[in-house]
Amino acid sequence: GAGVSQSPRYKVAKRGQDVALRCDPISGHVSLFWYQQALGQGPEFLTYFQNEAQLDKSGLPSDRFFAERPEGSVSTLKIQRTQQEDSAVYLCASRTRGTYTEAFFGQGTRLTVV
Amino acid sequence: SQQGEEDPQALSIQEGENATMNCSYKTSINNLQWYRQNSGRGLVHLILIRSNEREKHSGRLRVTLDTSKKSSSLLITASRAADTASYFCATDGTSGSRLTFGEGTQLTVNP
Repeated sequence: GAGVSQSPRYKVAKRGQDVALRCDPISGHVSLFWYQQALGQGPEFLTYFQNEAQLDKSGLPSDRFFAERPEGSVSTLKIQRTQQEDSAVYLCASRTRGTYTEAFFGQGTRLTVV
Repeated sequence: SQQGEEDPQALSIQEGENATMNCSYKTSINNLQWYRQNSGRGLVHLILIRSNEREKHSGRLRVTLDTSKKSSSLLITASRAADTASYFCATDGTSGSRLTFGEGTQLTVNP
């Protein structure tokens, strides 16, 4: 595709509800990242995939957060039993292979937990 | 946690003036990148500077890197109202691995 696509753009969830956020990276990009961005803050790393392998999940804030990329393309970030503190913008980015490469970001999913 | 700090947190200037934003970081890097984010949108890559480079230009953008001080600066010359956005530096420690972002500078350019 032309760019990184995320859906939905906006999600309102009731506290305790499970949500799934989708990311469709640029075709052929090996690396895929998820970031969480609170209002007025910089993006905070959540997790990183190289193809289908999740190489780093050290930024996931709790075991309620789970990410997958089963075929090395589309990725889903799942949040179980959402809490108010999960309200944020969730950004997905992809990068091609190489030493000095830029990341391409999607528009993000704004999650509001009420 | 964030890798570094950006300074200032907010900057307001008049159209035509230059804007300078600074970024400090803590660990060794492979390269440093600057991104721009318009309100409610994703981040857009502006420029990348390698750890063995000291200065780089792209259009109205000039980036410097001082690895001995672990700091970088982004200069936007002849600013325009359309430059109003948040600007983030991001460090890349290992090829292809995660980018670690700073807190950002909110730039407002007044027409």
